[in-house]
Parts: sequence; C-alpha cells; structure tokens
Amino acid sequence: AQTVTQSQPEMSVQEAETVTLSCTYDTSENNYYLFWYKQPPSRQMILVIRQEAYKQQNATENRFSVNFQKAAKSFSLKISDSQLGDTAMYFCAFMKQGNTPLVFGKGTRLSVIA
Amino acid sequence: KAGVTQTPRYLIKTRGQQVTLSCSPISGHRSVSWYQQTPGQGLQFLFEYFSETQRNKGNFPGRFSGRQFSNSRSEMNVSTLELGDSALYLCASSLAVYNEQFFGPGTRLTVL
Repeated sequence: AQTVTQSQPEMSVQEAETVTLSCTYDTSENNYYLFWYKQPPSRQMILVIRQEAYKQQNATENRFSVNFQKAAKSFSLKISDSQLGDTAMYFCAFMKQGNTPLVFGKGTRLSVIA
Repeated sequence: KAGVTQTPRYLIKTRGQQVTLSCSPISGHRSVSWYQQTPGQGLQFLFEYFSETQRNKGNFPGRFSGRQFSNSRSEMNVSTLELGDSALYLCASSLAVYNEQFFGPGTRLTVL
C-alpha cells in the first residue's frame, strides 16, 4: 500500500518570503501522480499543483513549484513571495496510475505572518 | 461553470440514526469520490463511482454506502451512526477516472 508522509505538522513564514513544505511517499509503482492540495480555513480543498511521475521536469504554477526527486521518493512544495492568502492546510497526495483514490498525507498547517 | 456542491453543509445527528449526504459534481464530470476527514485519521477514501457503478471502496464498515444516479449526482449513506463518524465528508468529482479531482466544500457531520 502507498503511504504519504508530511513531516512538518506546522510551519510559519513571513509575508513575501519563501517556504518549502516537505513530502515523502512510499510506493513500488513506477507510474503515478503526485499532487499538492490547499485547504484554507473555509475548508474548500483546492488543487495547487500536480506532477506526473514520468516527467522529469518539475511542475510550476505561478508562485508554486515542486522539487520532485523520484529516486528519493520526495515531492516538496516551494511557495515563493508568500501571501496572507496562502495561509492554509497543505496536503500532499499520491494517486497510482489506473487507480483513482487519492492517498493523502496528514497535512502541514502553514501560517503566513504579516 | 459551477463547482462541486454538497448538501447539507452541516448536520447534527444522534447515535443510532442514519444520515444521507448529497453531492452534485461539476457539469460533465462522471466520476465522484467520497473522503472522510477527521483530525485523528486525516483524509481517508470511502468510495468512488463512475457511470453509476462503484469502482473502488475504501476500508470502511458496511454501514457506509453510496450510490450514483444517471445524472452523476451521488449520495452517501451512513446507518447506525456512531460518535466516531463525526467528521467532514468531502466529495470530489473528475471528468473521468484517473483525472484530477475537484473537491466540494464538504458536509460537517456531528454525531451526539
């Protein structure tokens, strides 16, 4: 079974600074997808970024980028120029190719401080 | 395009009762998945439906059931409620299986 580990339960960052959230996963699969989801205090889960395991290039979405290390089974999220609206729970998730259920980590609570 | 909607948003029940939660996916999405979110266990997969057929089921007791209608709307039912069923129940829809999932705002169930 796949597992996803987020080792940082809580983090804080100053506004406009850069922060990196860690995620490691365990799988014997070769083809899979990785995601970062954001859940603000309003509770709506929002997809931040996705990465296909077969792609070597790291995904980027505006201020959000990932560092995907397949051999190390590591998938960290970097948030640049942090904004107050980035305050949320961030979940790392894994999805095996050909199998829909997302496997989530426990989450990292990020606070952006003015 | 409207997002995933879930009703009701909040629900309070007592032990032993049953409850039905509803989820309307994004228009055109045919896959609906359900997740339970609790502080202790985090996000756990309940089940997934595609074209009215259950494709996957998580490790939950038979008290948890679901179904999907021809318009892709989905319901989940929990019978004989227990205190431990108190949670945020999230529904997610996707265009097809294996596609990225879009989540609804959730239904907060409290069992007293």
